[in-house]
Amino acid sequence: AQTVTQSQPEMSVQEAETVTLSCTYDTSESNYYLFWYKQPPSRQMILVIRQEAYKQQNATENRFSVNFQKAAKSFSLKISDSQLGDTAMYFCAFALQGAQKLVFGQGTRLTINP
Amino acid sequence: GAVVSQHPSWVICKSGTSVKIECRSLDFQATTMFWYRQFPKQSLMLMATSNEGSKATYEQGVEKDKFLINHASLTLSTLTVTSAHPEDSSFYICSAPQGAQSNQPQHFGDGTRLSIL
Repeated sequence: AQTVTQSQPEMSVQEAETVTLSCTYDTSESNYYLFWYKQPPSRQMILVIRQEAYKQQNATENRFSVNFQKAAKSFSLKISDSQLGDTAMYFCAFALQGAQKLVFGQGTRLTINP
Repeated sequence: GAVVSQHPSWVICKSGTSVKIECRSLDFQATTMFWYRQFPKQSLMLMATSNEGSKATYEQGVEKDKFLINHASLTLSTLTVTSAHPEDSSFYICSAPQGAQSNQPQHFGDGTRLSIL
């Protein structure tokens, strides 16, 4: 079975700073997908970024980028120039290729302070 | 863009009541939908996979007689919490993938807060 671990329950940074959220996962499969989802206080789940395991290049989406280390089974999220609207729970998630169900990590509560 | 609508957003009812939650894909067809449960300040736990036209697939430890899932059309899945008790109080979220590939985005409903008195 696949597992996803987020070891940082809470993080807090000042506005405009850069913050990195950690995620590790465990799988014996070689083809899979990784995701970061954001859940603001409204509780709507929002996709932040996704990474295909077969791609060596790290995914980027504007201020959001990942550091994907396949051998280490690590998938961290970097948020640059953090904004107050980035305050939310962030979940790392895993999906096997060919399957659509997501396995979520425990989440990291990120607070951006003014 | 694609949207998944979940209804109701909040329900409060007495113990012993059965509660139905609907999950609709508004502008795409979803042969598969997923139902999650989220306790306060915790992660989403997959309860079951809803399959259009066939029985749902439940995760280990989820009582299928307690949580009835019906996926009667390509745009609607329902979760019925039967004879609900206070321990069933939680936040329930559905999702639907847009497309058959596992790298396609999952679209989530806004969730249903269920409170059993």
